Amino acid sequence: KAGVTQTPRYLIKTRGQQVTLSCSPISGHRSVSWYQQTPGQGLQFLFEYFSETQRNKGNFPGRFSGRQFSNSRSEMNVSTLELGDSALYLCASSLGLGDGNQPQHFGDGTRLSIL
Amino acid sequence: QKEVEQNSGPLSVPEGAIASLNCTYSDRVSQSFFWYRQYSGKSPELIMSIYSNGDKEDGRFTAQLNKASQYVSLLIRDSQPSDSATYLCAVIYGNNRLAFGKGNQVVVIP
Repeated sequence: KAGVTQTPRYLIKTRGQQVTLSCSPISGHRSVSWYQQTPGQGLQFLFEYFSETQRNKGNFPGRFSGRQFSNSRSEMNVSTLELGDSALYLCASSLGLGDGNQPQHFGDGTRLSIL
Repeated sequence: QKEVEQNSGPLSVPEGAIASLNCTYSDRVSQSFFWYRQYSGKSPELIMSIYSNGDKEDGRFTAQLNKASQYVSLLIRDSQPSDSATYLCAVIYGNNRLAFGKGNQVVVIP
């Protein structure tokens, strides 16, 4: 069974640009969550999508947005990039069913560097 | 109070010894707890999940959960150099939102 696939693996952007990251979940998984990982802050939750709807949202500014398609694939967009957005962006998928007990499985991440 | 706390600094253990990692969480109603292992430059990998009070063993790993004390731990028996990594404690809050601790780095010395 294929794992979570994130593209691209690496990105270099400049301040003010925007970026779109993609995530394909494990087959059959309907929940996709996005996280930002930095050395100082650790893993921080961005948002979660389930059945094309944002179900949970973390404490990030509106420049961070996402969406989910009918095939459960998800994209994350960051607009007006800032130097502080340099991080590893991780996507995780799970079955996402009601009680939230199912573990989340991570993709390899997209490393975003802002110059 | 942080949602998930892992306070110990880097842990160095000799090969073959037991590594013990601890984690506390703030939400009494949390029901799902996970340990992830993250090698340098890689993404987190799920190694244990635990939902009920008590111990759960999987190979050389044992997870322990005490909901009354809001405490979850991970023991690594017979530590191997390949166990050298950062271990992340994670707790599900609300509806499928994972909160992570900052992680504990484990170094196994041959």
